[in-house]
Amino acid sequence: AQSVTQLGSHVSVSEGALVLLRCNYSSSVPPYLFWYVQYPNQGLQLLLKYTSAATLVKGINGFEAEFKKSETSFHLTKPSAHMSDAAEYFCAVSEGQAGTALIFGKGTTLSVSS
Amino acid sequence: GAGVSQSPSNKVTEKGKDVELRCDPISGHTALYWYRQSLGQGLEFLIYFQGNSAPDKSGLPSDRFSAERTGGSVSTLTIQRTQQEDSAVYLCASSLGATGELFFGEGSRLTVL
Repeated sequence: AQSVTQLGSHVSVSEGALVLLRCNYSSSVPPYLFWYVQYPNQGLQLLLKYTSAATLVKGINGFEAEFKKSETSFHLTKPSAHMSDAAEYFCAVSEGQAGTALIFGKGTTLSVSS
Repeated sequence: GAGVSQSPSNKVTEKGKDVELRCDPISGHTALYWYRQSLGQGLEFLIYFQGNSAPDKSGLPSDRFSAERTGGSVSTLTIQRTQQEDSAVYLCASSLGATGELFFGEGSRLTVL
């Protein structure tokens, strides 16, 4: 069965600094990988997804993630943090057409200070 | 409606009572998921319906939890004999298929006293 590990439940950065949120996955087949974001008092929304095309995936709000099979990782990055990026971020994995559910990590809360 | 609709938005119940939570997915979406979100636990997968296939119930925490999806559309999550540890936000999501983007509802916040 697939699983996701998000390293670091809380990450704090200064405005303008690099954002790096770590995600490692386990899957028995080529995975589909996702990052979702939940802003305070809002529902979850899709940030970006990897579905076996380009290994570097660009998402909304300047975020991107790189699929590294050798490291079983799908880390989320943004070159320059903005105050509005403060939110909870969830990495998720699916085995796609294998028909299995989308499994989420425990989430990483990103705080951005001025 | 245009989005995933969940009801009730808030439910307060006494320990030992049964509760039903409803999810109305986006029309045409074949996949429907239930998750439970509690502080520090992220999104805990509960159950997954995909088309006419048998549901994946591997995430249900105990036999007090059950869910059904009628006519490939509306789903009901039932929790019998509620316990205090069942208190959480229950999220429903739907997607066009197994690999599609999930669209989440606003959730049903359950408080068991």
